[in-house]
Amino acid sequence: GENVEQHPSTLSVQEGDSAVIKCTYSDSASNYFPWYKQELGKRPQLIIDIRSNVGEKKDQRIAVTLNKTAKHFSLHITETQPEDSAVYFCAATDPYTGGFKTIFGAGTRLFVKA
Amino acid sequence: NAGVTQTPKFQVLKTGQSMTLQCAQDMNHNSMYWYRQDPGMGLRLIYYSASEGTTDKGEVPNGYNVSRLNKREFSLRLESAAPSQTSVYFCASSDSGRAERSNEQFFGPGTRLTVL
Repeated sequence: GENVEQHPSTLSVQEGDSAVIKCTYSDSASNYFPWYKQELGKRPQLIIDIRSNVGEKKDQRIAVTLNKTAKHFSLHITETQPEDSAVYFCAATDPYTGGFKTIFGAGTRLFVKA
Repeated sequence: NAGVTQTPKFQVLKTGQSMTLQCAQDMNHNSMYWYRQDPGMGLRLIYYSASEGTTDKGEVPNGYNVSRLNKREFSLRLESAAPSQTSVYFCASSDSGRAERSNEQFFGPGTRLTVL
Protein backbone atom coordinates (compact mmCIF):
# COMPACT_ATOMS: atom_id res chain seq x y z
CA GLY A 1 0.00 0.00 0.00
CA GLU A 2 0.86 3.67 -0.18
CA ASN A 3 3.32 5.13 2.31
CA VAL A 4 3.99 8.83 2.82
CA GLU A 5 7.04 10.24 4.59
CA GLN A 6 7.23 13.88 5.62
CA HIS A 7 10.20 16.05 6.65
CA PRO A 8 11.07 17.88 8.77
CA SER A 9 8.95 17.03 11.80
CA THR A 10 9.54 20.50 13.25
CA LEU A 11 10.44 23.72 11.45
CA SER A 12 11.12 27.09 12.99
CA VAL A 13 11.46 30.21 10.82
CA GLN A 14 11.59 33.96 11.32
CA GLU A 15 8.58 35.98 10.26
CA GLY A 16 8.98 36.96 6.62
CA ASP A 17 11.20 34.01 5.75
CA SER A 18 10.15 31.10 3.54
CA ALA A 19 9.28 27.60 4.78
CA VAL A 20 9.57 24.38 2.80
CA ILE A 21 8.10 21.01 3.79
CA LYS A 22 8.92 17.91 1.79
CA CYS A 23 7.09 14.62 1.33
CA THR A 24 7.79 11.40 -0.53
CA TYR A 25 5.32 8.73 -1.53
CA SER A 26 5.82 5.11 -2.49
CA ASP A 27 3.13 4.26 -5.05
CA SER A 28 3.88 5.70 -8.47
CA ALA A 29 0.19 5.34 -9.40
CA SER A 30 -0.94 7.87 -6.76
CA ASN A 31 -2.56 10.84 -8.51
CA TYR A 32 -3.82 13.32 -5.93
CA PHE A 33 -1.76 15.11 -3.27
CA PRO A 34 -3.49 17.41 -0.78
CA TRP A 35 -1.97 19.50 2.00
CA TYR A 36 -3.87 20.14 5.22
CA LYS A 37 -3.22 22.69 7.95
CA GLN A 38 -4.21 22.01 11.54
CA GLU A 39 -4.09 24.76 14.12
CA LEU A 40 -3.76 23.83 17.77
CA GLY A 41 -6.93 22.17 19.03
CA LYS A 42 -8.69 22.57 15.68
CA ARG A 43 -9.67 20.31 12.83
CA PRO A 44 -7.47 19.84 9.71
CA GLN A 45 -8.38 22.03 6.75
CA LEU A 46 -7.30 21.77 3.13
CA ILE A 47 -4.99 24.58 2.04
CA ILE A 48 -3.85 23.43 -1.39
CA ASP A 49 -3.80 20.30 -3.51
CA ILE A 50 -2.22 19.09 -6.72
CA ARG A 51 -3.03 16.37 -9.20
CA SER A 52 -0.47 14.21 -10.94
CA ASN A 53 -0.93 15.89 -14.33
CA VAL A 54 0.35 19.22 -12.94
CA GLY A 55 3.91 20.06 -11.84
CA GLU A 56 3.23 23.15 -9.77
CA LYS A 57 0.30 25.02 -8.29
CA LYS A 58 0.26 28.34 -6.50
CA ASP A 59 -2.28 30.12 -4.33
CA GLN A 60 -1.10 33.48 -3.01
CA ARG A 61 1.75 32.78 -0.56
CA ILE A 62 1.59 29.01 -0.77
CA ALA A 63 2.71 26.75 -3.59
CA VAL A 64 3.08 23.04 -4.11
CA THR A 65 5.47 21.31 -6.50
CA LEU A 66 5.30 17.71 -7.64
CA ASN A 67 8.08 15.57 -9.08
CA LYS A 68 6.47 12.36 -10.29
CA THR A 69 9.73 10.78 -11.37
CA ALA A 70 11.25 11.14 -7.93
CA LYS A 71 7.87 10.59 -6.21
CA HIS A 72 8.13 13.64 -4.04
CA PHE A 73 6.16 16.82 -3.53
CA SER A 74 6.79 19.94 -1.49
CA LEU A 75 4.89 22.76 0.16
CA HIS A 76 6.38 26.25 -0.06
CA ILE A 77 5.16 29.11 2.12
CA THR A 78 6.62 32.52 1.35
CA GLU A 79 6.61 35.65 3.54
CA THR A 80 5.60 33.62 6.57
CA GLN A 81 3.41 35.21 9.22
CA PRO A 82 2.75 34.21 12.84
CA GLU A 83 -0.70 32.91 11.84
CA ASP A 84 1.04 30.33 9.62
CA SER A 85 2.15 28.57 12.82
CA ALA A 86 0.38 25.19 12.78
CA VAL A 87 0.89 21.54 11.93
CA TYR A 88 0.94 20.79 8.20
CA PHE A 89 0.11 17.36 6.78
CA CYS A 90 0.84 16.12 3.30
CA ALA A 91 -1.14 13.20 1.90
CA ALA A 92 -1.49 10.95 -1.09
CA THR A 93 -4.51 9.02 -2.24
CA ASP A 94 -4.38 5.33 -2.97
CA PRO A 95 -5.56 5.08 -6.60
CA TYR A 96 -6.57 1.44 -6.25
CA THR A 97 -9.42 2.50 -3.97
CA GLY A 98 -10.77 5.09 -6.39
CA GLY A 99 -8.92 7.79 -4.50
CA PHE A 100 -10.93 7.34 -1.33
CA LYS A 101 -8.14 5.98 0.78
CA THR A 102 -5.97 8.92 1.81
CA ILE A 103 -2.61 8.25 3.47
CA PHE A 104 -1.24 11.13 5.53
CA GLY A 105 2.31 12.00 6.45
CA ALA A 106 3.20 12.32 10.13
CA GLY A 107 3.02 16.12 10.04
CA THR A 108 5.35 19.11 10.32
CA ARG A 109 4.98 21.53 13.20
CA LEU A 110 5.79 25.00 11.87
CA PHE A 111 6.71 27.81 14.25
CA VAL A 112 6.89 31.33 12.85
CA LYS A 113 8.73 33.65 15.21
CA ALA A 114 7.69 37.28 15.22
CA ASN B 1 -24.83 24.77 7.33
CA ALA B 2 -23.22 22.98 10.25
CA GLY B 3 -20.81 21.03 7.99
CA VAL B 4 -19.54 17.90 9.75
CA THR B 5 -20.62 17.36 13.34
CA GLN B 6 -19.43 14.77 15.84
CA THR B 7 -20.68 13.61 19.22
CA PRO B 8 -19.50 13.39 21.89
CA LYS B 9 -16.64 15.91 22.13
CA PHE B 10 -14.98 14.07 25.02
CA GLN B 11 -15.36 10.57 26.42
CA VAL B 12 -13.64 8.51 29.10
CA LEU B 13 -14.10 4.74 29.03
CA LYS B 14 -12.86 1.86 31.10
CA THR B 15 -11.12 -1.04 29.40
CA GLY B 16 -13.69 -3.42 27.94
CA GLN B 17 -16.52 -0.89 27.69
CA SER B 18 -18.19 -0.20 24.37
CA MET B 19 -19.32 3.01 22.76
CA THR B 20 -20.38 4.53 19.47
CA LEU B 21 -19.05 7.77 18.03
CA GLN B 22 -21.58 9.61 15.92
CA CYS B 23 -20.89 11.69 12.81
CA ALA B 24 -23.24 13.57 10.53
CA GLN B 25 -22.77 15.89 7.54
CA ASP B 26 -25.22 18.25 5.88
CA MET B 27 -23.26 18.93 2.68
CA ASN B 28 -24.87 16.09 0.68
CA HIS B 29 -21.49 14.42 0.36
CA ASN B 30 -21.24 10.89 -0.92
CA SER B 31 -18.11 9.78 0.93
CA MET B 32 -17.33 9.68 4.64
CA TYR B 33 -14.27 8.69 6.66
CA TRP B 34 -13.08 7.94 10.18
CA TYR B 35 -9.52 8.78 11.25
CA ARG B 36 -7.61 8.59 14.48
CA GLN B 37 -4.87 11.06 15.36
CA ASP B 38 -2.08 10.15 17.73
CA PRO B 39 0.85 12.42 18.63
CA GLY B 40 3.63 12.21 16.05
CA MET B 41 1.68 9.84 13.81
CA GLY B 42 -0.54 12.10 11.76
CA LEU B 43 -3.98 10.97 10.72
CA ARG B 44 -4.59 7.28 10.14
CA LEU B 45 -7.64 6.06 8.26
CA ILE B 46 -9.75 3.56 10.19
CA TYR B 47 -12.67 2.99 7.81
CA TYR B 48 -14.24 4.81 4.92
CA SER B 49 -17.53 4.74 3.06
CA ALA B 50 -17.21 5.66 -0.60
CA SER B 51 -20.98 5.92 -0.96
CA GLU B 52 -24.14 5.12 0.94
CA GLY B 53 -24.37 1.39 1.51
CA THR B 54 -20.64 0.65 1.25
CA THR B 55 -17.85 0.56 3.82
CA ASP B 56 -14.21 -0.45 3.51
CA LYS B 57 -11.25 -0.92 5.80
CA GLY B 58 -8.54 1.70 6.03
CA GLU B 59 -5.06 1.44 7.54
CA VAL B 60 -6.00 0.56 11.13
CA PRO B 61 -9.46 -1.12 11.26
CA ASN B 62 -8.82 -3.67 14.02
CA GLY B 63 -10.99 -3.13 17.08
CA TYR B 64 -13.52 -0.94 15.25
CA ASN B 65 -16.75 -1.34 13.33
CA VAL B 66 -18.66 1.20 11.28
CA SER B 67 -22.18 1.76 10.01
CA ARG B 68 -23.20 4.06 7.18
CA LEU B 69 -26.70 4.62 8.47
CA ASN B 70 -27.77 6.82 5.55
CA LYS B 71 -26.13 9.40 3.32
CA ARG B 72 -25.73 11.86 6.20
CA GLU B 73 -24.54 9.64 9.04
CA PHE B 74 -21.51 7.43 9.59
CA SER B 75 -20.90 5.93 13.03
CA LEU B 76 -17.82 4.30 14.55
CA ARG B 77 -18.18 1.63 17.23
CA LEU B 78 -15.65 0.35 19.71
CA GLU B 79 -16.94 -3.02 20.93
CA SER B 80 -14.39 -3.57 23.70
CA ALA B 81 -12.27 -0.49 24.30
CA ALA B 82 -8.53 -0.86 24.99
CA PRO B 83 -6.00 1.74 26.26
CA SER B 84 -4.34 1.61 22.80
CA GLN B 85 -7.50 3.20 21.41
CA THR B 86 -6.93 6.38 23.40
CA SER B 87 -6.78 9.00 20.66
CA VAL B 88 -8.54 11.89 18.97
CA TYR B 89 -11.05 10.67 16.42
CA PHE B 90 -11.99 12.72 13.39
CA CYS B 91 -14.82 12.13 11.00
CA ALA B 92 -14.62 13.64 7.52
CA SER B 93 -16.69 13.81 4.35
CA SER B 94 -16.05 14.58 0.71
CA ASP B 95 -18.10 15.11 -2.41
CA SER B 96 -16.12 12.69 -4.60
CA GLY B 97 -16.52 13.10 -8.30
CA ARG B 98 -18.55 16.18 -9.11
CA ALA B 99 -16.16 19.12 -8.88
CA GLU B 100 -12.51 19.99 -9.43
CA ARG B 101 -11.90 19.91 -5.70
CA SER B 102 -14.15 16.94 -5.10
CA ASN B 103 -11.42 15.11 -3.22
CA GLU B 104 -11.30 17.79 -0.51
CA GLN B 105 -12.17 16.28 2.82
CA PHE B 106 -14.09 18.35 5.37
CA PHE B 107 -13.37 17.36 8.94
CA GLY B 108 -15.51 17.41 12.03
CA PRO B 109 -14.31 18.95 15.32
CA GLY B 110 -13.04 15.64 16.69
CA THR B 111 -13.78 13.41 19.69
CA ARG B 112 -11.12 13.08 22.38
CA LEU B 113 -11.35 9.54 23.75
CA THR B 114 -9.47 8.25 26.78
CA VAL B 115 -9.53 4.56 27.69
CA LEU B 116 -8.37 3.77 31.22
